[in-house]
Amino acid sequence: GQQVMQIPQYQHVQEGEDFTTYCNSSTTLSNIQWYKQRPGGHPVFLIQLVKSGEVKKQKRLTFQFGEAKKNSSLHITATQTTDVGTYFCAGNRDDKIIFGKGTRLHILP
Amino acid sequence: GAVVSQHPSWVICKSGTSVKIECRSLDFQATTMFWYRQFPKQSLMLMATSNEGSKATYEQGVEKDKFLINHASLTLSTLTVTSAHPEDSSFYICSARERVRRTEAFFGQGTRLTVV
Repeated sequence: GQQVMQIPQYQHVQEGEDFTTYCNSSTTLSNIQWYKQRPGGHPVFLIQLVKSGEVKKQKRLTFQFGEAKKNSSLHITATQTTDVGTYFCAGNRDDKIIFGKGTRLHILP
Repeated sequence: GAVVSQHPSWVICKSGTSVKIECRSLDFQATTMFWYRQFPKQSLMLMATSNEGSKATYEQGVEKDKFLINHASLTLSTLTVTSAHPEDSSFYICSARERVRRTEAFFGQGTRLTVV
């Protein structure tokens, strides 16, 4: 079965606060990807991490890949209303892309 | 960037009929296409993986006779929901992986199927 766990399932934050979502796999991943899905939309690719311990930044978003390549995190600094949506991590296993359950981010104005 | 077009974006059909959903990669060749199903406020559940010119590989619990997948060319894959029932109502999304990069997947817009 699909074995990419993601927490939390939901997160409500005040606009301007930080937000973090965590992803864990039971097996070592060759790489991990992050996607964002806006309400009513389809998933959009954000980034891919490949190397052990890799850290990448996209403006206010920071992505990390664990040393053992089994976990990853996405951190958003000073959230804005445009950050609303569901963030999915996805791991490559056996040439398939398996998604975590996603974290739905809601921003309180 | 890579574009994947999925059609139709929504469809309503009667119980017992079949519905075909198309997924096209418009500006790249996709050796692999994935079909996902997403229930409201839930994650994307992988249904099957299709490689051009070969039979699709279905995930455990997905009926291959119910969800027929054809990947006849490097730019087109189709999912046919046969003898649809109300419990098949869902959001179906395809994604395609580019032949050269073989890394991230590009998603279609999704198809909302409602079976009445």
